[in-house]
Amino acid sequence: KNEVEQSPQNLTAQEGEFITINCSYSVGISALHWLQQHPGGGIVSLFMLSSGKKKHGRLIATINIQEKHSSLHITASHPRDSAVYICAVRNSGTYKYIFGTGTRLKVLA
Amino acid sequence: NAGVMQNPRHLVRRRGQEARLRCSPMKGHSHVYWYRQLPEEGLKFMVYLQKENIIDESGMPKERFSAEFPKEGPSILRIQQVVRGDSAAYFCASSAWENEKLFFGSGTQLSVL
Repeated sequence: KNEVEQSPQNLTAQEGEFITINCSYSVGISALHWLQQHPGGGIVSLFMLSSGKKKHGRLIATINIQEKHSSLHITASHPRDSAVYICAVRNSGTYKYIFGTGTRLKVLA
Repeated sequence: NAGVMQNPRHLVRRRGQEARLRCSPMKGHSHVYWYRQLPEEGLKFMVYLQKENIIDESGMPKERFSAEFPKEGPSILRIQQVVRGDSAAYFCASSAWENEKLFFGSGTQLSVL
């Protein structure tokens, strides 16, 4: 079993839909990142969380430390949101990041 | 303020040659991470460096791979005697502090013929 699990693996949505991507982890962490990787390969860090909730534009990220779970929400989805979304956790006590395998999102116009 | 710069974007090597991948972190960042992404797989941690120090290289293969981050100049990931299995995208990320937001470079796609 992977230490960081994401669901779903693939997601197709219609433009305007509300989208949720989930991340569960089994290790102690000091931080969790949500990353976006576009088809060209570039990676952008969307959020870094250690507790609570963060919002940036149409994106919202939450984390529940007790349940070892984080969610990334996209409101009013748009085709330009199509990308792979990756959850990465920093294993507490180390400098090592562990990555989920990603959720491939496709938003149709 | 330039972001994290990686070069080259694409690197083609024949088996047995050496590959040198460069990463210039964002201005003011002294923490550099290298990751590898094999085809159809997720990112895997390789090494974490601060200026002139390797802090954690637990993700690096024991042989042929080395990394450095000198006092001046970019961080270098070196792969000696490359094999086909080294073909992958290699990403560098930097941060200002240990537990700060990561900024990623565009990656170097290494192809070994």
